[in-house]
Amino acid sequence: GQSLEQPSEVTAVEGAIVQINCTYQTSGFYGLSWYQQHDGGAPTFLSYNALDGLEETGRFSSFLSRSDSYGYLLLQELQMKDSASYFCAVRGTGGFKTIFGAGTRLFVKA
Amino acid sequence: EAGVTQFPSHSVIEKGQTVTLRCDPISGHDNLYWYRRVMGKEIKFLLHFVKESKQDESGMPNNRFLAERTGGTYSTLKVQPAELEDSGVYFCASSHGQGGETQYFGPGTRLLVL
Repeated sequence: GQSLEQPSEVTAVEGAIVQINCTYQTSGFYGLSWYQQHDGGAPTFLSYNALDGLEETGRFSSFLSRSDSYGYLLLQELQMKDSASYFCAVRGTGGFKTIFGAGTRLFVKA
Repeated sequence: EAGVTQFPSHSVIEKGQTVTLRCDPISGHDNLYWYRRVMGKEIKFLLHFVKESKQDESGMPNNRFLAERTGGTYSTLKVQPAELEDSGVYFCASSHGQGGETQYFGPGTRLLVL
């Protein structure tokens, strides 16, 4: 079967750094994406990794290791507004079907 | 540029009734996707359109669900007859061109079947 595993909850303090891990098991692999969703809102695209390594976009970075079927999202200089759910998602080869993880709820405390 | 819009934002219906959800993608986006999220679980893929054609409908739960995309523009998702387990948030997303890595999501329709 196809599945993605990520922690259900993470708590961190304002200004800190937090890493959200994602391991995947899918039939084929085209790329790993990360989405952010605030309560009651729409998932918003954050980053995409098709190749191994680190991609940096401002305070957010995303890493991929295809050999380990593993990736992570790194959030630096945490702000209260970063409190949200974060989803990793994988698109397999042969189509545009995207498999999402169950999401990681991030709580940022003052 | 207008984002993905969905209608209605909320729907409460009784078991056995019919509900039709609508999605208007970003103009010019050929790819349109439907997803469903049940409380606390993953965002589950339902199907993918390229223009008016169904590219992949492997995630559709059963034949009570019917999706259409008229003229390759907006899309509708009909549930008939609705069951209790159909409750959840239905998201629509669209993406541009061949890559499709960046999907733009709508705000979702919250469906409650009583």
